Amino acid sequence: DTGVSQNPRHKITKRGQNVTFRCDPISEHNRLYWYRQTLGQGPEFLTYFQNEAQLEKSRLLSDRFSAERPKGSFSTLEIQRTEQGDSAMYLCASSLGFPIPPNFGPGTRLTVL
Amino acid sequence: KNEVEQSPQNLTAQEGEFITINCSYSVGISALHWLQQHPGGGIVSLFMLSSGKKKHGRLIATINIQEKHSSLHITASHPRDSAVYICAVSRNSGGSNYKLTFGKGTLLTVNP
Repeated sequence: DTGVSQNPRHKITKRGQNVTFRCDPISEHNRLYWYRQTLGQGPEFLTYFQNEAQLEKSRLLSDRFSAERPKGSFSTLEIQRTEQGDSAMYLCASSLGFPIPPNFGPGTRLTVL
Repeated sequence: KNEVEQSPQNLTAQEGEFITINCSYSVGISALHWLQQHPGGGIVSLFMLSSGKKKHGRLIATINIQEKHSSLHITASHPRDSAVYICAVSRNSGGSNYKLTFGKGTLLTVNP
């Protein structure tokens, strides 16, 4: 399967700990997106990369959040000093661009105790 | 008011019924997406459309740009169609096309 992959699929952590998630997009896709989805809600945009450049960040992405895509391939999303409000599903999507629809990964479910 | 509104929020149907899920949006868009999300999180793109109508198997999506409204129809529904169906819009052309704004989703349950 050469779809978008995300690791880990589940992460349980204690408040105050740092966590890092990884997204591996489809190899030829130069665009990569991170979204966050809380229970009962639709996903919300967090940030967007075109190749290695982070072109847009949501106001949702506080200074405790940082995302990288160092070589324009995989991406990492790090949350420092996690809070219970960070508990959510973190989704990654990749695309070649319009008009081809994006491909979504399976998500990483974060639970902060 | 959310930029993308879906109705109904929950829908229960009997196998074989014709199903309609509605989506209204309040902003200018370059495209509207219908997506399917199963328990566990994975999201699959069903349709991306900017005008007219698209059909794939038992699924049909329509959009009325003037009225800022789209519908997703499922004909001859089946229990395996049970999932959350999400409407989302792309607001820009160019690189950030898929900075999507999502509705809250419609939970569809199809009973045998």
